[in-house]
Amino acid sequence: DAGVIQSPRHEVTEMGQEVTLRCKPISGHNSLFWYRQTMMRGLELLIYFNNNVPIDDSGMPEDRFSAKMPNASFSTLKIQPSEPRDSAVYFCASSRTGTYSYNEQFFGPGTRLTVL
Amino acid sequence: AQSVSQHNHHVILSEAASLELGCNYSYGGTVNLFWYVQYPGQHLQLLLKYFSGDPLVKGIKGFEAEFIKSKFSFNLRKPSVQWSDTAEYFCAVLNNAGNMLTFGGGTRLMVKP
Repeated sequence: DAGVIQSPRHEVTEMGQEVTLRCKPISGHNSLFWYRQTMMRGLELLIYFNNNVPIDDSGMPEDRFSAKMPNASFSTLKIQPSEPRDSAVYFCASSRTGTYSYNEQFFGPGTRLTVL
Repeated sequence: AQSVSQHNHHVILSEAASLELGCNYSYGGTVNLFWYVQYPGQHLQLLLKYFSGDPLVKGIKGFEAEFIKSKFSFNLRKPSVQWSDTAEYFCAVLNNAGNMLTFGGGTRLMVKP
């Protein structure tokens, strides 16, 4: 298995532009997580999907952020409009979970976003 | 809500020194705990996890952690570090539903050759 795939690996954009980050979870995994990592705030969970349905989006910073999971093999995290304070590394992770059960979360390589 | 504290933000050691990274959690339910490692420029990888049973957990690469319920701690240890252990280490706790992790702020370890 190729593991969790994220694209792009690096993104540099200007303030105000729309940014779309992509994630392909590991095949067979039914849970997907988007995290943001910064020096100041560490690793924060943004949103969590289970069976393609958003379960908890309380970590999404504001309305400029949106995430979708149209099918079991693809998810996007969109920022519109982007701001310099959105600069961070965004990680996607997936796991195989059931009710009251847990399996290891596997992380993707991350997308390093720089907003100028 | 659960929370995780890692009080050591930066640790610098020489090779062969012993390592102990602190992790304290605040959580009222059944505790499931994890340590992840992030090597420079790479993604997070699981080092070890505790669900139940023996409170001393062995992980990969010679790491171990001890769950001490009375101290709300899950400290990570390694008897003799190597330069290749230079990385950031994250402690995490699983929520009651068993589907979400809360991470600590991380500890950056630098091992001098």
